[in-house]
Amino acid sequence: ELKVEQNPLFLSMQEGKNYTIYCNYSTTSDRLYWYRQDPGKSLESLFVLLSNGAVKQEGRLMASLDTKARLSTLHITAAVHDLSATYFCAVSYGGSQGNLIFGKGTKLSVKP
Amino acid sequence: EAGVTQSPTHLIKTRGQQATLRCSPISGHTSVYWYQQALGLGLQFLLWYDEGEERNRGNFPPRFSGRQFPNYSSELNVNALELEDSALYLCASSLAWGQFNTGELFFGEGSRLTVL
Repeated sequence: ELKVEQNPLFLSMQEGKNYTIYCNYSTTSDRLYWYRQDPGKSLESLFVLLSNGAVKQEGRLMASLDTKARLSTLHITAAVHDLSATYFCAVSYGGSQGNLIFGKGTKLSVKP
Repeated sequence: EAGVTQSPTHLIKTRGQQATLRCSPISGHTSVYWYQQALGLGLQFLLWYDEGEERNRGNFPPRFSGRQFPNYSSELNVNALELEDSALYLCASSLAWGQFNTGELFFGEGSRLTVL
């Protein structure tokens, strides 16, 4: 059974600080996805990582994938209040395509 | 271009009743996925349909069922509603198997089901 674990589950940050969210998964997969969810809203796709060593950056967020370690990281640089949301990582069940299995999410709160 | 659309936005039912939720995928997408997001439980995979066929099913009882229509829209039915079925039900779509596809899912705004 594929398991996806995120940590931390809750993260309170001050504006301007850096932090990293970790996503570990239990079986081989070369595809990993990061989503953002604002309260009461749906999920917005942030990053699609398709191979070992993939790194993608958008604004203050950078995601990377190490398929050998079965680990992805989402790094936040100089956090701002607008980044407050819940961040989910997800892994494709069954390999190249299929339903995604999600981590429990990391609820990020950025305080002034 | 329209995104994934879901209806109804909110639905209130009582225990034992049936609920039907609907989803229209992004134009050109043939795969539809249903997820349940209950408070404190994260996103739980329910069902995946592709080209009208059920491709995979999550760990949910048979009273959760669905189908996909020839126009690729989909319905999720929940029979014999229980209190713990109260949740946000999210539908997502993606391109079909076999096409160049990153596997990325695009989500709708969800249907919030409340069971009293």
